[in-house]
Amino acid sequence: EIVMTQSPATLSVSPGDRATLSCGASQSVRSNLAWYQQKPGQPPRLLIYGASTRASGIPARFSGSGSETEFTLTISGLQSEDFAVYYCQQYSEWPPRVTFGGGTKVEIK
Amino acid sequence: EVQLVESGGGLVQPGGSLRLSCVVSGFTFSNHWMSWVRQAPGKGLEWVANIKQDGSEKYYVDSLKGRFTISRDNAKNSVYLQMDSLRAEDTAVYYCARNYLREGAGYFHHYYYMDVWGKGTTVTVSS
Repeated sequence: EIVMTQSPATLSVSPGDRATLSCGASQSVRSNLAWYQQKPGQPPRLLIYGASTRASGIPARFSGSGSETEFTLTISGLQSEDFAVYYCQQYSEWPPRVTFGGGTKVEIK
Repeated sequence: EVQLVESGGGLVQPGGSLRLSCVVSGFTFSNHWMSWVRQAPGKGLEWVANIKQDGSEKYYVDSLKGRFTISRDNAKNSVYLQMDSLRAEDTAVYYCARNYLREGAGYFHHYYYMDVWGKGTTVTVSS
């Protein structure tokens, strides 16, 4: 099983600032990495797939980078609606047993 | 509009069974892999199982040890999760999710990330 590790667990950021979230894989997942945003009481929402491609309707302030075992989600110019929990997910394996990271909570500083 | 609506959650005693359903609309269900993902209270996301378009392949998280079974009925646009021998640690919100599909001229390329999610159904295992 590929283990996904996210850091930090909690990130305190002021509105308008940049947030940088990290996700590491226990072995190479190439670019088979997705990011999701989840707000309280809501299902996750797909933000990024293929490590760096924004999903439909996702604002340009969200960007993803990385490959193999190290990935980053950057949120530029944080807005109030961006305070949420973010999860990474690898989908590299076959058979397709996907795994999620533990999440990073982005909170208001 | 693409929609996934889960049902079937509730309170069940340890050792009991529950069958979750997810009815979808707004897309060609029979073209997509589908997944179940759960989230224990205050915890992160855990992938549970997925199933191929025609139901011929099914995969599960190892920790379930054969207690859960995923299935689908393409005529009813539905995917199911049969949960047996339930334990307190199975208490969670269970989400149904669509796996992304890229369609081209005469081909489908399946990906195993989830582009559409239902709102979830809550399962509580307690005596």
